[in-house]
Amino acid sequence: GNSVTQMEGPVTLSEEAFLTINCTYTATGYPSLFWYVQYPGEGLQLLLKATKADDKGSNKGFEATYRKETTSFHLEKGSVQVSDSAVYFCALGTQGGSEKLVFGKGTKLTVNP
Amino acid sequence: EAGVTQFPSHSVIEKGQTVTLRCDPISGHDNLYWYRRVMGKEIKFLLHFVKESKQDESGMPNNRFLAERTGGTYSTLKVQPAELEDSGVYFCASSQGAVRGYTFGSGTRLTVV
Repeated sequence: GNSVTQMEGPVTLSEEAFLTINCTYTATGYPSLFWYVQYPGEGLQLLLKATKADDKGSNKGFEATYRKETTSFHLEKGSVQVSDSAVYFCALGTQGGSEKLVFGKGTKLTVNP
Repeated sequence: EAGVTQFPSHSVIEKGQTVTLRCDPISGHDNLYWYRRVMGKEIKFLLHFVKESKQDESGMPNNRFLAERTGGTYSTLKVQPAELEDSGVYFCASSQGAVRGYTFGSGTRLTVV
């Protein structure tokens, strides 16, 4: 079946550090891939997405590239800020049928000043 | 446009009691989804409505959970009777079509004591 494995946290970084959160997936067919973010006290927000192989999603300085050959969608940011502290979820979306998302367990990121 | 609204934001109930969660999707969104995150685990799909019909309820954990979407507008998720393992955050999402267009609500944090 479809599944997502992401780097377990928590991750603690200093401001301006480089961030990588690893995400790999198992899926049949050609899923869409997503990163969602949950800031403290808020709901899930779509951070970025990629719908086909080699696509790069980007938003707010975050990037992730859909790598079919390694079944990965790692999240990166060159210089994190305190305001990036949140829980990050990698997810894949199945096409057709119920169009549901399969999530990873989430990675809590804390950025210290 | 108003987002997806969930009510209540928090609920603390005793084991054996009944709780009803509500989700108001974005107006015009035919697709409505319920997800749940149990502490420290993945966010898991519960079910999917298309208008008032259940398209996929394969994620519903057991028959203590009942979801409805009368008239194809708002949805309720009732847990009766609640058990300790039902504690978690329940998310609702809506979309007009494909999974790439999801909007999530802020979630309801349910604590069963």
